[in-house]
Amino acid sequence: EVQLLESGGGLVQPGGSLRLSCAASGFTFSNYGMGWVRQAPGKGLEWVSGISGGGGSTYYADSVKGRFTISRDNSKNTLYLQMNSLRAEDTALYYCAKSGCSSTSCKWDYWGQGTLVTVSS
Amino acid sequence: QPVLTQPPSASASLGASVTLTCTLSSGYSNYQVDWYQQRPGKGPRFVMRVGTGGIVGSKGDGIPDRFSVLGSGLNRYLTIKNIQEEDESDYHCGADHGSGSNFVYVFGTGTKVTVL
Repeated sequence: EVQLLESGGGLVQPGGSLRLSCAASGFTFSNYGMGWVRQAPGKGLEWVSGISGGGGSTYYADSVKGRFTISRDNSKNTLYLQMNSLRAEDTALYYCAKSGCSSTSCKWDYWGQGTLVTVSS
Repeated sequence: QPVLTQPPSASASLGASVTLTCTLSSGYSNYQVDWYQQRPGKGPRFVMRVGTGGIVGSKGDGIPDRFSVLGSGLNRYLTIKNIQEEDESDYHCGADHGSGSNFVYVFGTGTKVTVL
């Protein structure tokens, strides 16, 4: 059974940093692309970032480019999102998602339950 | 990149059918679209991918047979037949675009389905 468990969310001041983690199990982690998708309160889904199975290719939405960094540790079956220079508009529930293939050009076929990030002074 | 347009809401009586529409912006008629179900307070769940020829690949885990898709022109449809209370959810469509450093994944704004 595929499981994705996010952690690391919390309350942070504007301009601050936070690192999210996603622990994966139930599949061969290194064979699949992974990504982060966020959902602001009462809003729709917004793709944030993706990374290929080997970690060599990374992709970002324009809204976070230059501030967020996605990475993965295939030896630990864990996905990360380093978030710097946080803004109020980054406040959202952040979901970890598994791609259906080794790249990110596939459906997001499994999702976690999310971790809440609140940016406020 | 494509823009995906969804109506904000839809409703159907218990046991009836409802069809949801995701409309791609002009010029993207060959794009495939993914449908996701999001029950209240839960993470999204993959339903299935649809192109102009219909379903692409297989349905997500545990998706009932009463969920089906069609694609025509710029529209990608998700139909729920014999709708049940547990189908009351937000439904999002999404699509990948580009390659290399230009890759993005875009979502529609979602449709809230109410079972009457």
